[in-house]
Amino acid sequence: SQELEQSPQSLIVQEGKNLTINCTSSKTLYGLYWYKQKYGEGLIFLMMLQKGGEEKSHEKITAKLDEKKQQSSLHITASQPSHAGIYLCGAHNTGNQFYFGTGTSLTVIP
Amino acid sequence: DAGITQSPRHKVTETGTPVTLRCHQTENHRYMYWYRQDPGHGLRLIHYSYGVKDTDKGEVSDGYSVSRSKTEDFLLTLESATSSQTSVYFCATGSLMLNTGELFFGEGSRLTVL
Repeated sequence: SQELEQSPQSLIVQEGKNLTINCTSSKTLYGLYWYKQKYGEGLIFLMMLQKGGEEKSHEKITAKLDEKKQQSSLHITASQPSHAGIYLCGAHNTGNQFYFGTGTSLTVIP
Repeated sequence: DAGITQSPRHKVTETGTPVTLRCHQTENHRYMYWYRQDPGHGLRLIHYSYGVKDTDKGEVSDGYSVSRSKTEDFLLTLESATSSQTSVYFCATGSLMLNTGELFFGEGSRLTVL
């Protein structure tokens, strides 16, 4: 079975601090997706990484995929209360099953 | 934003009753998915569809069935609801092209089984 392990499970940071969320796969990834979920709402796509060593940024959020394509990190610079929510990494296998990690709950204290 | 609507958004039912959740999309996406989200488990795949009348099981399919008679609709049925099926259910759709494979999500359906 496909598994994505995320760490940490939860994170509480002071506004303005940097933070990193990790996502590790037991198998080589065809593509790694990052989503954000505000509490009680659906998921919003953040970015997709496909190539080993790839790095993408959107506003203050940067995601990287390692060379072996088995681990990704999501880094938030100068966190703001608007960054609060649940961050999930996701991937799909050759059978087109799209599966997710267990999620990281982020709280940003003003 | 992708046009994905789930209904009902909230439902309370009793153990043993049948429940059907509907996912409707206006994006003509080939793939549709049903997930359940529970604390500590993230999103777990229940069933998915890769075309009209083409469906397959996910990791937590026991107690659930699905049907897709039209591209735009994907139904999730609990034949006899149990308390363990109390959860938030999300539908997602996508085209899953390898270079743009993001999924688009509905707002979720909160089901409580008493």
